[in-house]
Amino acid sequence: QSALTQPPSASGSPGQSVTIPCTGASSGVGGYNDVSWYQQHPDKAPKLLIYEVSKRPSGVPDRFSGSKSGNTASLTVSGLQAEDEADYYCSSYAGDNVVFGGGTKLTVL
Amino acid sequence: QVQLQESGPGLVKPSETLSLTCTVSGASISYYYWSWIRQPPGKGLEWIGYIYYSGSTNYNPSLRGRVTTSVDPSKNHFSLKLNSVTAADTAVYYCARGVRWNDHWGQGTLVTVSS
Repeated sequence: QSALTQPPSASGSPGQSVTIPCTGASSGVGGYNDVSWYQQHPDKAPKLLIYEVSKRPSGVPDRFSGSKSGNTASLTVSGLQAEDEADYYCSSYAGDNVVFGGGTKLTVL
Repeated sequence: QVQLQESGPGLVKPSETLSLTCTVSGASISYYYWSWIRQPPGKGLEWIGYIYYSGSTNYNPSLRGRVTTSVDPSKNHFSLKLNSVTAADTAVYYCARGVRWNDHWGQGTLVTVSS
């Protein structure tokens, strides 16, 4: 299972939208719909934001949305708020293995 | 409310075995997959492996051979052992529910490998 590639950083102003891409091999992100996204604030455990590419667990605001095109999955945060400043990780399950992206630090300007 | 809590030594000597337990409350350990994930200081997440309540397992190929997991449904907990540790194994270790996605996580426990 090859690694998932995320940009190390992203930023946006309050109220704007930001999209974080996650690119993997065809056998991973491209071949399966088991892509998930996590939000991690400093010194906290990760929190599930998105599963199965675009589904939101109960309690996650609809400002967070997921999509996939080819080998790239994306997380979009709409209507940025100060509390969205955190690290974001994508994850892919394929071939009975799990791989995480390197993480993207989202800064709210 | 599902809660997970990691427990175990915070300091392990090089070449020894790291042992952690994850106690689950608010849900039965049965019929779920349970995962271990770690995060070196200042770095990203790394999947270690999973165990099903029946005992079936799978591990990250990079750690296979050093890692084992076990589950005890009677105590509603599961465990991790990582042997022959080095400084590179220093990390916050998380237990979590699920494999395809992880919907509940423990708070994490820092394990430092040092003599």
